[in-house]
Amino acid sequence: GQNIDQPTEMTATEGAIVQINCTYQTSGFNGLFWYQQHAGEAPTFLSYNVLDGLEEKGRFSSFLSRSKGYSYLLLKELQMKDSASYLCAVERGSYIPTFGRGTSLIVHP
Amino acid sequence: DADVTQTPRNRITKTGKRIMLECSQTKGHDRMYWYRQDPGLGLRLIYYSFDVKDINKGEISDGYSVSRQAQAKFSLSLESAIPNQTALYFCATSDGTSGSYEQYFGPGTRLTVT
Repeated sequence: GQNIDQPTEMTATEGAIVQINCTYQTSGFNGLFWYQQHAGEAPTFLSYNVLDGLEEKGRFSSFLSRSKGYSYLLLKELQMKDSASYLCAVERGSYIPTFGRGTSLIVHP
Repeated sequence: DADVTQTPRNRITKTGKRIMLECSQTKGHDRMYWYRQDPGLGLRLIYYSFDVKDINKGEISDGYSVSRQAQAKFSLSLESAIPNQTALYFCATSDGTSGSYEQYFGPGTRLTVT
């Protein structure tokens, strides 16, 4: 969707830190969302970045660089329940988000 | 009680049948959306509505139609179902008046067209 790129799959160890990257075309950019989706369930909101920089929310942080068309979601102290898909969504002039294909994160013991 | 509900949760239908998926919300949001999700393709927008009298096509509207019967209800119809419409369908809402466009998703409808 509109050149939003994220890795398809990542694996990490319980207790570790993982960074999920998202790159996008910068034209008409308003903001960027991250959602978490467990298998067979609805996506749930994690974060929304409009300005450059890092926003921290508990174990999860999200970073945005508007000029570079780049964002990442940082998950610390990984838990088994963090195994899920992480969806990057870019909001443009119409305020309708366009979703990337998602990154499937597998956390193993 | 869930804020965004979808009915049915699962549906198996045959090629050529007309079916309707329904979405209701109690969040009082003005904006509603229909997405489909296919393995490896992410969420793709079918239709969206910013108000009762507002209907807009999304990325993949062909073969679908919608009706916004009230602020709280947004229905998706497949006029003549075909097998490649087999997918997981999500309804979502957001509050266009708050300045925060976070979306709230329903639990999804798993549709199989045989």
